[in-house]
Amino acid sequence: LAKTTQPISMDSYEGQEVNITCSHNNIATNDYITWYQQFPSQGPRFIIQGYKTKVTNEVASLFIPADRKSSTLSLPRVSLSDTAVYYCLVGLFSGGYNKLIFGAGTRLAVHP
Amino acid sequence: DAGVTQSPTHLIKTRGQQVTLRCSPKSGHDTVSWYQQALGQGPQFIFQYYEEEERQRGNFPDRFSGHQFPNYSSELNVNALLLGDSALYLCASSGALDSTGTYEQYFGPGTRLTVT
Repeated sequence: LAKTTQPISMDSYEGQEVNITCSHNNIATNDYITWYQQFPSQGPRFIIQGYKTKVTNEVASLFIPADRKSSTLSLPRVSLSDTAVYYCLVGLFSGGYNKLIFGAGTRLAVHP
Repeated sequence: DAGVTQSPTHLIKTRGQQVTLRCSPKSGHDTVSWYQQALGQGPQFIFQYYEEEERQRGNFPDRFSGHQFPNYSSELNVNALLLGDSALYLCASSGALDSTGTYEQYFGPGTRLTVT
């Protein structure tokens, strides 16, 4: 599975847009890009998944350039409750074969 | 839908003991994966069960074993506990392509294991 690199930590303020970029230079043709959010002492929660271009849901947007060697998770107008660790994962997700490889993640702190 | 449930919530064991953790997958899911998350680190894949068989395994010793039952629930067993086994143990379930068109893996709240 492709290795990912993302910032260790980020700080933001309530109401701002936060963009977290993840590098995955060795992404394979069939790999998807998935982002998870995790609060302390809880299991990770799926945020968004994409393969190319842009994906948007009610929580976030995911931007993937044409070469797919990086991706950016965009959180619009963050609030204090968005303080969490965000993980970028890259891998082949086919049916039940979802072996997820987590890195250290990005610790986002949202300040009042 | 109750989602993924795990029991117990917390557990304290002594070195050398054995422990069993339990997981019930989300309704409709047939695949269960187990992860270990040490404090301050990302979850590490232990193994995955499908159709009552271990399908994939991460870099964990044989002291870690598991089982999946016909109702898709699963157990994680750890023998000869070490201090380093102290961690949050997460269970995740998955199934066929999600109705939203994504391959989403749903995690439970985890079991906090402390080995003294």
